[in-house]
Amino acid sequence: AQTVTQSQPEMSVQEAETVTLSCTYDTSESNYYLFWYKQPPSRQMILVIRQEAYKQQNATENRFSVNFQKAAKSFSLKISDSQLGDTAMYFCAFMYGGSQGNLIFGKGTKLSVKP
Amino acid sequence: GAGVSQSPRYKVAKRGQDVALRCDPISGHVSLFWYQQALGQGPEFLTYFQNEAQLDKSGLPSDRFFAERPEGSVSTLKIQRTQQEDSAVYLCASSLGPHSEAFFGQGTRLTVV
Repeated sequence: AQTVTQSQPEMSVQEAETVTLSCTYDTSESNYYLFWYKQPPSRQMILVIRQEAYKQQNATENRFSVNFQKAAKSFSLKISDSQLGDTAMYFCAFMYGGSQGNLIFGKGTKLSVKP
Repeated sequence: GAGVSQSPRYKVAKRGQDVALRCDPISGHVSLFWYQQALGQGPEFLTYFQNEAQLDKSGLPSDRFFAERPEGSVSTLKIQRTQQEDSAVYLCASSLGPHSEAFFGQGTRLTVV
């Protein structure tokens, strides 16, 4: 069975600084996708970034980028130029490529951006 | 609609009551998922629909949980004889297809007292 581990329950960063959130996963599959979701207090999950396992290039979306280390089964999220609006829970998630699309989530990291 | 809509946003139920949670997915989205998110945890998969067909219900925790999507659009998650351990946020998500981006609703926070 696939598992997702986020070892940092809480993190904080100063506004405009850079922060990295960690995620490791365990799978024996070769076809899969990895995601970072943001969940603000409104509770609505918002997709931040997505990585296909077959792609060697790390995904980037504006201030958000990932460091995907397939052999180490590591998928960290880097947030550059942190903004107050980045304050939220961040969840790492795994999707098996042969599945219907259901996601397996980690327990989350609570990120606080301080002015 | 513009996004995935869930109602009610909050529900308080007395132990033993039945509850029904509604999800209106984005129009045209084939795939619909339900997740349960306990306090301080990540969401956990409950069930999956492709149009009106419930193709996976492996995550439903007991036979007290039942989901339907009769016309392939709106879905209802029903919990019978609620218990305290059912207290959680129930999230609905929809997507165009199995590996397309999933869009989430704001969830229903269920509290069983």
